[in-house]
Amino acid sequence: EAGVTQFPSHSVIEKGQTVTLRCDPISGHDNLYWYRRVMGKEIKFLLHFVKESKQDESGMPNNRFLAERTGGTYSTLKVQPAELEDSGVYFCASSRQSSGNTIYFGEGSWLTVV
Amino acid sequence: LAKTTQPISMDSYEGQEVNITCSHNNIATNDYITWYQQFPSQGPRFIIQGYKTKVTNEVASLFIPADRKSSTLSLPRVSLSDTAVYYCLVGDGEVTGGGNKLTFGTGTQLKVEL
Repeated sequence: EAGVTQFPSHSVIEKGQTVTLRCDPISGHDNLYWYRRVMGKEIKFLLHFVKESKQDESGMPNNRFLAERTGGTYSTLKVQPAELEDSGVYFCASSRQSSGNTIYFGEGSWLTVV
Repeated sequence: LAKTTQPISMDSYEGQEVNITCSHNNIATNDYITWYQQFPSQGPRFIIQGYKTKVTNEVASLFIPADRKSSTLSLPRVSLSDTAVYYCLVGDGEVTGGGNKLTFGTGTQLKVEL
């Protein structure tokens, strides 16, 4: 069974540009999550999809961040325009839809804004 | 939010058993306790999950007392490759759509030496 895959693994962009991160969850996992860790801080929750619906987006930092999951399969996280403080690693995770199911993480997309 | 407290760091030697204790005093009734391992430049990797009493798998054991206000991850006979950050996580009690948002703490940096 393939794990959670994320693309790109690394990205370097200039301030003001746009970056789109993609996450492919484990097949059959309706729950999809985005987390991030910025330099020196703890890993923080961003949002949670159940299939194509946003269940909880309380962790999204501001309106420069847009997450989508059309069709309930893969998800994208767009940052537009990127700022220096957006640099960090963005983790995607997925789980089956029932209580207590394990959440599996991808290897992360490392974003550097210069 | 169900917050967790665990030691910032621990040191051990190869072949020893390592026990990392985590406190989660305000754990909710429907929260599971999950431990993850994270190596530098990688995503968190699931180790073990439990609800109460004891759980054992091929890599670790998890001990949970009756009040569930703490848990202990036990790693038998650690090796150099077990050097990593270990996170103790509980759900925030808001099980929506079968999902369970995780709140990361600082984790415990385990260093294993020869």
